[in-house]
Amino acid sequence: RKEVEQDPGPFNVPEGATVAFNCTYSNSASQSFFWYRQDCRKEPKLLMSVYSSGNEDGRFTAQLNRASQYISLLIRDSKLSDSATYLCVVKDSSASKIIFGSGTRLSIRP
Amino acid sequence: EADIYQTPRYLVIGTGKKITLECSQTMGHDKMYWYQQDPGMELHLIHYSYGVNSTEKGDLSSESTVSRIRTEHFPLTLESARPSHTSQYLCASNFKTDTQYFGPGTRLTVL
Repeated sequence: RKEVEQDPGPFNVPEGATVAFNCTYSNSASQSFFWYRQDCRKEPKLLMSVYSSGNEDGRFTAQLNRASQYISLLIRDSKLSDSATYLCVVKDSSASKIIFGSGTRLSIRP
Repeated sequence: EADIYQTPRYLVIGTGKKITLECSQTMGHDKMYWYQQDPGMELHLIHYSYGVNSTEKGDLSSESTVSRIRTEHFPLTLESARPSHTSQYLCASNFKTDTQYFGPGTRLTVL
């Protein structure tokens, strides 16, 4: 079993739709959680950190469920420019490693 | 924008050549990483460093080697390139906040 698992997609949704991704992690000692965005043939870039209380940045909402060991990303009113691969990232504090999920591909259609 | 740079951005080279991919960051980050990523595939950690003179192998076995003589510089070397090394190589760094910043990557093609 992978340490960080994501649904690979692709998710193909119309512009304006709301879309949600989940990501599960296996190490209960994990301390830090992030969502990155990677455009085609580009480097990953930080989208947002995920805090225990949940956090929102414009149309994006991230939540953490420690009991069930998953994090989520919700995108409201999706735009064409949201098309990308979304990477779930977990920091394993005991091993001091940063672990990337394999990514979920999102495609927004007009 | 993050201050992390990679050169060359694109490299096409013949089998058997020695190559060095450069990565530099001006943010004073102590931790640096090399990832390998094939098109449309996931990132694989191949090397990391937690400071000067510290280097470790990542999760994916790689024939490449790295060095960390200076905080800002983390070059990756392939002694004898092969077609199987064709991929994108991404360098990243971070400090205490754990937010990793990535360089633009080097696309390597070995003929």
